[in-house]
Amino acid sequence: ELKVEQNPLFLSMQEGKNYTIYCNYSTTSDRLYWYRQDPGKSLESLFVLLSNGAVKQEGRLMASLDTKARLSTLHITAAVHDLSATYFCAVDRKGSNFGNEKLTFGTGTRLTIIP
Amino acid sequence: EAQVTQNPRYLITVTGKKLTVTCSQNMNHEYMSWYRQDPGLGLRQIYYSMNVEVTDKGDVPEGYKVSRKEKRNFPLILESPSPNQTSLYFCASSLVDNIDEQFFGPGTRLTVL
Repeated sequence: ELKVEQNPLFLSMQEGKNYTIYCNYSTTSDRLYWYRQDPGKSLESLFVLLSNGAVKQEGRLMASLDTKARLSTLHITAAVHDLSATYFCAVDRKGSNFGNEKLTFGTGTRLTIIP
Repeated sequence: EAQVTQNPRYLITVTGKKLTVTCSQNMNHEYMSWYRQDPGLGLRQIYYSMNVEVTDKGDVPEGYKVSRKEKRNFPLILESPSPNQTSLYFCASSLVDNIDEQFFGPGTRLTVL
């Protein structure tokens, strides 16, 4: 059974600081996704990481993937209040009919940026 | 506007009363999926569909049914709801080759008394 663990679960940080959210998963997978959820809202896709060593950046967020370690990181640089949200990683795995069509999410990291 | 819509957005019902939550997308996506979100558990996949008439179980399918008769619609059916199905439900869709770029609906908050 695929397990996806994120840590920390809660993170409170000051504006301007840097921090990293970690996502570990238990079985082999080639693709890892990061999503953002604002309070009371739906989910928004941030990044998809398709291969070992993949790195993607958007603004103050940078995501990377190490498939050998089964680890992805989401790094926040010089945090600003607008980044306050819950961040989820998700890993795909094989279904019964086709390719990797099942998706398992981590429990989420609730990030609060304090002015 | 490209979107995934869900109805109803909020529903309070009683144990055993059959209900359907509708999901519709206007992006011609092949892949559609249902998730439930519970505090401390993240999102868990209930069912998904790769295309019309092709559906499969996710991680928590018990107590749910789905159908995919048309490409744009993927309703979630609770034949006999129970209180442990009280949750926030999300529908999502994507192209089959781009399952990562899922577009999520606004969510349906269901309470079963």
